[in-house]
Amino acid sequence: GQQLNQSPQSMFIQEGEDVSMNCTSSSIFNTWLWYKQDPGEGPVLLIALYKAGELTSNGRLTAQFGITRKDSFLNISASIPSDVGIYFCAGPLTGGGSNYKLTFGKGTLLTVNP
Amino acid sequence: GAVVSQHPSWVICKSGTSVKIECRSLDFQATTMFWYRQFPKQSLMLMATSNEGSKATYEQGVEKDKFLINHASLTLSTLTVTSAHPEDSSFYICSAEDSFSEQYFGPGTRLTVT
Repeated sequence: GQQLNQSPQSMFIQEGEDVSMNCTSSSIFNTWLWYKQDPGEGPVLLIALYKAGELTSNGRLTAQFGITRKDSFLNISASIPSDVGIYFCAGPLTGGGSNYKLTFGKGTLLTVNP
Repeated sequence: GAVVSQHPSWVICKSGTSVKIECRSLDFQATTMFWYRQFPKQSLMLMATSNEGSKATYEQGVEKDKFLINHASLTLSTLTVTSAHPEDSSFYICSAEDSFSEQYFGPGTRLTVT
């Protein structure tokens, strides 16, 4: 399967600060997905990216599909306490193939201090 | 939005017994469902793809005789962990794919084998 390298592993920030995390892959992806997982829950899709160079926003969240198709980043602006959780990037397990079987990055644990 | 449920949300069983976990798509039909496993502080790892009306396909290293999958209807897939052992203790998460190829994740099932 494809390897996704996600960084940073964890972040401790103050409420109101902006956050940035990224993911890189060892091969080309045709889809990048960003999920958030709260403790004891399943992941929830935040943003889906389907085109190289695509920049998509969802409220205070912005994600971009890298031009090389091997990376993506997620930004959170003006963080609030409920942003706390683990953020995962994900992409097709087989790289440029089917969208359906997903491989996940190792996650970024975000802690927001009020 | 599409909702996926799992039952039970948590289960404790004795070593050597079998446990069945259900995954249901509540407001859409899913010909394909996926089963993931997540160990503490780790990412989601795809175990198998569940196809309605046909045999499941398993990822490399996942024992099909140990993790039995049945996808008998368009809204229900079950995962049975047979002869469970403590090392099977994990968080099991399913996802269901809708007609637009979007995946929606269930809330997960925490399995503890004593």
